[in-house]
Amino acid sequence: EPEVTQTPSHQVTQMGQEVILRCVPISNHLYFYWYRQILGQKVEFLVSFYNNEISEKSEIFDDQFSVERPDGSNFTLKIRSTKLEDSAMYFCASRDMYSNQPQHFGDGTRLSIL
Amino acid sequence: TQLLEQSPQFLSIQEGENLTVYCNSSSVFSSLQWYRQEPGEGPVLLVTVVTGGEVKKLKRLTFQFGDARKDSSLHITAAQPGDTGLYLCAGTRQGGSEKLVFGKGTKLTVNP
Repeated sequence: EPEVTQTPSHQVTQMGQEVILRCVPISNHLYFYWYRQILGQKVEFLVSFYNNEISEKSEIFDDQFSVERPDGSNFTLKIRSTKLEDSAMYFCASRDMYSNQPQHFGDGTRLSIL
Repeated sequence: TQLLEQSPQFLSIQEGENLTVYCNSSSVFSSLQWYRQEPGEGPVLLVTVVTGGEVKKLKRLTFQFGDARKDSSLHITAAQPGDTGLYLCAGTRQGGSEKLVFGKGTKLTVNP
């Protein structure tokens, strides 16, 4: 069964450094998302992306964050000047073009900021 | 205030017992999903419900969407240790955006 894949599975970075989290959505999906889950807390929406542009972003998704679809398969989340509080699991999700279709999640990248 | 309230937060039962977990909101949802999440992994989709009153069955799991599309339940019959995990409900709000709003989850432990 097609699945969303994310790399790396674990990223350790010094505070202030930039990180890029990578995702390969399911191939025929057109809507892409990033969510994060701080340890012990619920999954939170960050951003949605469709037709090569951001369609919605949360208040968490400030100027520190950016997303890009650099080619036909990858979808990336860049975090500039990382802070300790950016430590979390980051999940990529994608869904089909039809309304009410569910979002399918990758296994996430565990980001640890030291 | 949680948009999606899940209860109970923790549930520990013996193998063979039945259980129901709940997902409640004061908001109307256009669709609601149930996911299961294992430690260190992403949420895995179990079911999507979109119609008020809808009931879906997945082997020993029965999912129900409330008539008003504000609540949902997951019932597991004859629970097995393999059912142990974190069950999450998540939905897209009626008239709102397509982002998923998640509940905090129910952590289920089925003891052999």
